Amino acid sequence: EVQLVESGGGLVQPGGSLKLSCAGSGFTFSGSAMHWVRQASGKGLEWIGRIRSGVNNYATAYAASVKGRFTISRDDSKNMVYLHMDSLKSEDTAMYYCTRSLGLDNCGDWGQGTQVTVSS
Amino acid sequence: DIRMTQSPSSLSASVGDRITITCRANQSIYNYLHWYQQKPGKAPKLLISAASSLQSGVPTRFSGSGSGAEYTFTISSLQPEDFASYYCQHTYSTPYCFGQGTKLQI
Repeated sequence: EVQLVESGGGLVQPGGSLKLSCAGSGFTFSGSAMHWVRQASGKGLEWIGRIRSGVNNYATAYAASVKGRFTISRDDSKNMVYLHMDSLKSEDTAMYYCTRSLGLDNCGDWGQGTQVTVSS
Repeated sequence: DIRMTQSPSSLSASVGDRITITCRANQSIYNYLHWYQQKPGKAPKLLISAASSLQSGVPTRFSGSGSGAEYTFTISSLQPEDFASYYCQHTYSTPYCFGQGTKLQI
C-alpha cells in the first residue's frame, strides 16, 4: 500500500523557517517525482514545487510565490522528501501536502497533510 | 506561465444529473491535464490523468475529454458521494497550476 506521511508542521513566526518532511513507502521512491502542494483554509490548491528522480538529475521547479524562499530536497536512501521554508509570511499559512507523480508529473498519491501556521 | 481558468466555480445539481466542468488554458497544454476530487477535510484524489485516462478504481461515470487548450470533466449520473470540490491541473510546463476549483453542491 502506498503511503505518504508528512510531518514537521506547526506555528512559526513571520520571517522564520520550517522544514517539512514526507516519508514514502509502498512504492519505488527513488524512481518517483515528488511534489508539494498547499491549501489555505477554505481556498483552492496551490502547486508549490517538485523534485524529479535521480535519472532526471533531481531537477527542481517552484511556483513564483515561493521561489527563492522554499527548497525541495530528497534522500532516496531514507525514502524522504523535504520542503525547507525560509522567510515565512502569513500568506504561507496552509495545509501542506506531499504528493507522488504517477506520470506526466501529475499528483497521483497524496499524504494526509501537515498544517503550517505563520503568525506572531 | 500557463494560467488555467476553471468554470463554473460552483454548481448545484441533484442525484442522477449529468454535469460538466470546463478548464481552459491560455495556450495549448497537449493533454497534460489532470482532474482531482477533494472532499471536506480530506486530501485530493486523482481521478483522471492525461485529459481522459481514468485512474484505476475510479467509477466509469467520471470522464474527461478535450485537446489543445480546452478540456472538460463530466459526471454522467451524479451519486451522493460525488458532492465535493473538483480541480483541474496542467503539468505541461512549470509552474504546474491548478484551476480555481468547482464546488459541486446539492
